[in-house]
Formats: sequence, C-alpha cells, structure tokens
Amino acid sequence: NAGVMQNPRHLVRRRGQEARLRCSPMKGHSHVYWYRQLPEEGLKFMVYLQKENIIDESGMPKERFSAEFPKEGPSILRIQQVVRGDSAAYFCASSPPGADLYEQYFGPGTRLTVT
Amino acid sequence: DQQVKQNSPSLSVQEGRISILNCDYTNSMFDYFLWYKKYPAEGPTFLISISSIKDKNEDGRFTVFLNKSAKHLSLHIVPSQPGDSAVYFCAASRKGYQKVTFGIGTKLQVIP
Repeated sequence: NAGVMQNPRHLVRRRGQEARLRCSPMKGHSHVYWYRQLPEEGLKFMVYLQKENIIDESGMPKERFSAEFPKEGPSILRIQQVVRGDSAAYFCASSPPGADLYEQYFGPGTRLTVT
Repeated sequence: DQQVKQNSPSLSVQEGRISILNCDYTNSMFDYFLWYKKYPAEGPTFLISISSIKDKNEDGRFTVFLNKSAKHLSLHIVPSQPGDSAVYFCAASRKGYQKVTFGIGTKLQVIP
C-alpha cells in the first residue's frame, strides 16, 4: 500500500506565476488535509477536504489560494500569482473515513520556492 | 498567535540516556495532544498521543506526560537511540475536529 504521494517534490516559480501542488492520498482514504510550513515555523493547517467537498478551509489565505479534491484524481492546492512569502513546504495528509486524529498520514511534502 | 509552543529549538542527548522534549499550549479548548517525528525530506509521522482525560500514556520507549493545570506536556524517550535523531513536533487538537495545531518543533540529536 503506497503512502501519500505528493508531486512535484520541488517547485520553483517566479513571482506572479501559478503553482499547482498535487496530493494522491493513500488507497482507501477519502479525506485530505493540507498544511504549510513556513521557514522557522511549525506546520499550519490550511484546509480539510473530502471527495468533492471542502469541509474546513479556516486556515486558507483569503486570496490566491484554492484547493479541490475531485471525485477522480488527486487533490490540488492551487496558488495564483505567487509571491515570495508563499515560499514554504506544503504537506498533504490523508485519512480514512471516521479516522481518529492520529490516523492522518503525511506525504513527503512539496517545497515551493518563489524567485 | 502561537497556541502550541516548543521553546527548545534543539536538544542533544547521549545514546542510552533519557530525552525529554517539552511543549506548552495556551488554548484550554485543546483536549487531544500528539507528538510527531520528522526526518529530513519526509513528512511527519505520528508517534504517540494522549487525551486530556489521562496524564500519562506509554508506548515502548516513548512516554507522554500531560499536566493540564500547567498546560504542559512532555515526551520522554528512554533509552535514546541514534535513530531517534529527528525533529519532534508537539501538536494539539479538539476531539471531533480534524484540524491539528503544531508547534515549531525541537530538533533532537542523539549522540552515539
């Protein structure tokens, strides 16, 4: 059973470009979470999605950021018009339905660098 | 507003000795606490958790202690092994919620 997959692992974008980060959950997992780790900080919750639904987006910046988890395919975190402050490691986690908190399995992360 | 605080950015311990990692929280609504371990270039992996109805939870070499009145928890690793060298994140949440709040992490180095 493959773990949570994230791609790309490293992404470099110029200011103003769009960044798309992909997350494929573990098999059988229908819940996906996105976290962001800024330099010298802990992971910060961004959004919690189930298939085709956003459950909790309280940690998402109000502008430029969006997330989706379609019926088919990976979850996508999209950042429009990136700025230098978006440079961070973005982690995705997944869990099965009805899971306890400790059952969030994390992917290896995507490191976004904005130049 | 940092609701989960890990005030020691790093810790060095000799192999075989006890490692104690500390964590404080400010949100009294938190009732579930977790520790994660993270190696470079990998995502965090769950290590151990504790509910607020307990004050201690043990799993092999790892024990987590919770002092609710002080809003403080600690992770004890004994005996420490070189493979324990990693960044340890303290995290907290509320039962029934899927949102987890992380501390900044403590980098543990176990010296052979």
